[in-house]
Amino acid sequence: NAGVTQTPKFRILKIGQSMTLQCAQDMNHNYMYWYRQDPGMGLKLIYYSVGAGITDKGEVPNGYNVSRSTTEDFPLRLELAAPSQTSVYFCASSYMGAGYEQYFGPGTRLTVT
Amino acid sequence: EDKVVQSPLSLVVHEGDTVTLNCSYEVTNFRSLLWYKQEKKAPTFLFMLTSSGIEKKSGRLSSILDKKELFSILNITATQTGDSAVYLCAGSRKAGSYQLTFGKGTKLSVIP
Repeated sequence: NAGVTQTPKFRILKIGQSMTLQCAQDMNHNYMYWYRQDPGMGLKLIYYSVGAGITDKGEVPNGYNVSRSTTEDFPLRLELAAPSQTSVYFCASSYMGAGYEQYFGPGTRLTVT
Repeated sequence: EDKVVQSPLSLVVHEGDTVTLNCSYEVTNFRSLLWYKQEKKAPTFLFMLTSSGIEKKSGRLSSILDKKELFSILNITATQTGDSAVYLCAGSRKAGSYQLTFGKGTKLSVIP
C-alpha cells in the first residue's frame, strides 16, 4: 500500500514551459486535492476532485489545469510556467470530504527561472 | 474570507519542556479543525476536532477546541527532538465546501 505518490520530486522549468505533475493514490479515495505551499506559508488549494470526471477550482487555480479520468490518478498541468509558480506542490486524498483526514504525497519542489 | 491564525510562528524549547501551540479561526459555517505535523516533507494528520471542550489525545500530544472563543490548542508534553517540525492547523466548512483554510504554521524546534 503506497498511499499517495507524486512524481517528479524536483523539477526546474524555464519561463513559458509546460509540465504535468503526476499524482496517484491506491486507497480508493474519491476525494483528491492539489495544494501549493510557498515558504513560510500554509497550504493553498489549487484544484480538487470529488470523483472520476469531476473537478473544481480551489483558492488559487490560475495557471493550472487538472483532469481526473480514474479514481487513482489526478495529474496537475502547468501551462506557460511563470516564476510565481515556484513552490512545493502537494497532492492529497481523503475517504470523505475536506473536513476529514487527508493523506498527503511527498511533494514536488518546482522552480521556474 | 475564512482565516486561520497560528501563534507563535516559531518556538525553541529544550527536551522535556511542555509546549502549547495556538490556533484561532474564523471559518464560515464551521465544521472541523484539523492539526497536522509537517517534518521535511508531507503533512501528517494528528487530530480532527469537531466538538467543543472534548480533548483528543495521542501519547504526549493532546488538543482541544473552543467553539465559543474560536480557537484550538495543541499541547505537547515532555518534548523530544523528534517533535521538531512545523505544526499546521486548518479549518473546514460543513458539507458542500472542499476547501481547508490553513494557518501559516508554528515551527517548533526542540534542542537537547
